[in-house]
Amino acid sequence: DAGVTQSPTHLIKTRGQQVTLRCSPKSGHDTVSWYQQALGQGPQFIFQYYEEEERQRGNFPDRFSGHQFPNYSSELNVNALLLGDSALYLCASSLTEGASYNSPLHFGNGTRLTVT
Amino acid sequence: GDSVTQMEGPVTLSEEAFLTINCTYTATGYPSLFWYVQYPGEGLQLLLKATKADDKGSNKGFEATYRKETTSFHLEKGSVQVSDSAVYFCALSDSVNYGGSQGNLIFGKGTKLSVKP
Repeated sequence: DAGVTQSPTHLIKTRGQQVTLRCSPKSGHDTVSWYQQALGQGPQFIFQYYEEEERQRGNFPDRFSGHQFPNYSSELNVNALLLGDSALYLCASSLTEGASYNSPLHFGNGTRLTVT
Repeated sequence: GDSVTQMEGPVTLSEEAFLTINCTYTATGYPSLFWYVQYPGEGLQLLLKATKADDKGSNKGFEATYRKETTSFHLEKGSVQVSDSAVYFCALSDSVNYGGSQGNLIFGKGTKLSVKP
């Protein structure tokens, strides 16, 4: 049973460019959350998608946007990249529909984005 | 807003030593509390959790007790192994859940543990 998969694993972009990161949730999961983990810091919540809509959002600018597809996979898009966007981007999936209380998050291994 | 504070690392221990990693939280509601572990090159894995006051979470010899009176959730293990070397994150989830799914997780900065043979 495949867990959460993210692609690509590493990415190098130039300041001002745009980037798209992809995530496939664990089989059976319907909810996807995205986190940004700067070097030496804990992950910070970006947003969560359920039923193809953004359900919650953290304190991130509109340059960060996302999408969820009918198969529950998700994309994270970042426009007008800044040097400070360099980080590990983690995708986590979970179950909402029919889940027991506090269905846990399952994390992928992340995409390492470097902005130069 | 809600926040998590955990002890600064790195922590270096010899094999079979006792481990404590302190974690305290600030929250307006009644959060659920978690410990996640991140091994080198991997994503985060849930280690244990507690959803209400006085609950004890435990897994793989690790345990932590949800202490509402001291707003703490300290991680302990009686005898660490080299394979426990990793970064440990304390986290909380606000009490608002959508169905059964966790909402926004708020993480501490992480504590790196190195265990020497």
